[in-house]
Amino acid sequence: GESVGLHLPTLSVQEGDNSIINCAYSNSASDYFIWYKQESGKGPQFIIDIRSNMDKRQGQRVTVLLNKTVKHLSLQIAATQPGDSAVYFCAMGDTGNQFYFGTGTSLTVIP
Amino acid sequence: GAGVSQSPRYKVAKRGQDVALRCDPISGHVSLFWYQQALGQGPEFLTYFQNEAQLDKSGLPSDRFFAERPEGSVSTLKIQRTQQEDSAVYLCASSLFGGPTDTQYFGPGTRLTVL
Repeated sequence: GESVGLHLPTLSVQEGDNSIINCAYSNSASDYFIWYKQESGKGPQFIIDIRSNMDKRQGQRVTVLLNKTVKHLSLQIAATQPGDSAVYFCAMGDTGNQFYFGTGTSLTVIP
Repeated sequence: GAGVSQSPRYKVAKRGQDVALRCDPISGHVSLFWYQQALGQGPEFLTYFQNEAQLDKSGLPSDRFFAERPEGSVSTLKIQRTQQEDSAVYLCASSLFGGPTDTQYFGPGTRLTVL
């Protein structure tokens, strides 16, 4: 079966600092990785994705790093803002159609 | 354009009642997914449609769960004879084509509470 795990269930950072959220996975056949942000009472919101033929991808204030050798995915948020406080999920897709989600990391930004 | 919408947003049911949850995907999206999210957990796959065809229902926890998408757009997830363990947030997602590398966009979810 699939396994997507997160190293830390909670993370607190000072406003303006950089945040790093980590995710480990077990299925080496996965082709596609996604980070979602979920605020309280809302559905998961797409942040950034990366395909298995890449090891880094950058968006606005966010960077995703993929290390296929050790099956590790990370999300870096630059200059973290209070509005970044949420639960962050890594998810992955393989040969099927469903996405497999981790249990989430709760990010709290301290003003 | 409009995102994925779901209704109702909240549903309280007495144990044994039937419920129906509705999902309106993004217009033009071929694929539609249902996920179940328990408190403090990540979403877990229930079922997948491509147009009106239900191609994967391997995640449905029991035969009390039934989903349909008769015209390839709106979908309904029905739960018969609800049990307390059915209490969760039910999320709907849609993607343009489906498949393992197509981004899924989620609705706000329906929070189901079974008393």
